[in-house]
Amino acid sequence: DIQMTQSPSTLSASVGDRVTITCRASQSIGRQLAWYQQKPGRAPKILIYEASALESGVPSRFSGTGSETEFTLTIDNLQPDDSATYHCQQYRSNKSFGQGTKVEI
Amino acid sequence: QVQLQESGPGLAKPSETLSLTCTVSGDSISNRIYYWGWIRQPPGDGLEWIGSVHYTGTPYYNPPVQGLVTISVDTSKNQFSLRLKSVVAADTAVYYCARAAGGNFGWYFDYWGQGILVNVSS
Repeated sequence: DIQMTQSPSTLSASVGDRVTITCRASQSIGRQLAWYQQKPGRAPKILIYEASALESGVPSRFSGTGSETEFTLTIDNLQPDDSATYHCQQYRSNKSFGQGTKVEI
Repeated sequence: QVQLQESGPGLAKPSETLSLTCTVSGDSISNRIYYWGWIRQPPGDGLEWIGSVHYTGTPYYNPPVQGLVTISVDTSKNQFSLRLKSVVAADTAVYYCARAAGGNFGWYFDYWGQGILVNVSS
């Protein structure tokens, strides 16, 4: 099984900040990683796939980088609507998710 | 606009079989480029992929639940279903159905249902 570990678990930031969330895989997954945003009581929403490909309709302030075992999600110019929990997911071998990172504004 | 909607009982007793159905609209479940999957989220916890299925009927499951879960497709109703047997309290979760896109086996989930909370309790 491939384990996904996100850090930090929670972060607090202000409107206009740049924030970075890290996701580490227990073994190499190439670039087979997706990022999701989830708001309380709602289903997750896809943001990024293939580590850096922005899903259609997602604001360009969201970006993803990384490969092999280390990946980052960056949110530039943080907006109040970005308050949510962010999950990474690998699909190199079956599928598994990180435990989530809560972003508080 | 692709939409998915979960349905089924919100309560199950330990040792019973849980059955949920996902109805798809705005896309055909027979679209060969997609898989259709189930993901669950225990209260206050992270997401766990349960399994996915192609319209041809080929399913694949997360190893920890293999043997307990069956995912099937009904193309005539544009639905797919989850059966989880011998449930325990730890199966209490919000269950989501989703469309899986990309690659040969549906890599990431681009459309999700709203989720259904299932409580396992006697």
